[in-house]
Amino acid sequence: NAGVMQNPRHLVRRRGQEARLRCSPMKGHSHVYWYRQLPEEGLKFMVYLQKENIIDESGMPKERFSAEFPKEGPSILRIQQVVRGDSAAYFCASSPPLRRVGDEQFFGPGTRLTVL
Amino acid sequence: AQSVTQPDIHITVSEGASLELRCNYSYGATPYLFWYVQSPGQGLQLLLKYFSGDTLVQGIKGFEAEFKRSQSSFNLRKPSVHWSDAAEYFCAVGASGTGTASKLTFGTGTRLQVTL
Repeated sequence: NAGVMQNPRHLVRRRGQEARLRCSPMKGHSHVYWYRQLPEEGLKFMVYLQKENIIDESGMPKERFSAEFPKEGPSILRIQQVVRGDSAAYFCASSPPLRRVGDEQFFGPGTRLTVL
Repeated sequence: AQSVTQPDIHITVSEGASLELRCNYSYGATPYLFWYVQSPGQGLQLLLKYFSGDTLVQGIKGFEAEFKRSQSSFNLRKPSVHWSDAAEYFCAVGASGTGTASKLTFGTGTRLQVTL
């Protein structure tokens, strides 16, 4: 059973370009979370999605950032017009469809975004 | 709002010595608590979790943690550290329940260095 997959693992963009980060949850998981880890900091929650629905986007910056989790295919975190401050590691996590007390989130290896 | 404090940014221990990493949380109800480990350039791996029951929980790799409600703490311990334990350790608190968003709030992490 493959774990959470993220690609690309490393992404370099110039200021003003767009970045697209992909996340394929574990098989059978329908809940996806995105977190951002800035250098020397812990992970910060960005958004929580289920298939075709954004459940909680309270951690998403108001502009330039968007996320989706379509019925088919991976979840996508999209950053438009990137700036140097967007340089970070972006982690995706997934969990099973029936939320139970104590359910853990399984993390992917992350995408390290560098903005030049 | 929930929060997590890891007061030690960096800890160095000798191989074979005991280890305790501190974690204090703030949460209005019974918390769901997690310890994750992150090796350089890697994603997060769950070491252990607490959501109810016995306040002393056992995890992988010989780690354990004790939930102390009176002190709002969930400290991670290991009786004898191995060089391969060198990594970054994150404590996290989650709000979980069926039908609710289950974002995790992470501490800023403790970097463990092991000397031979």
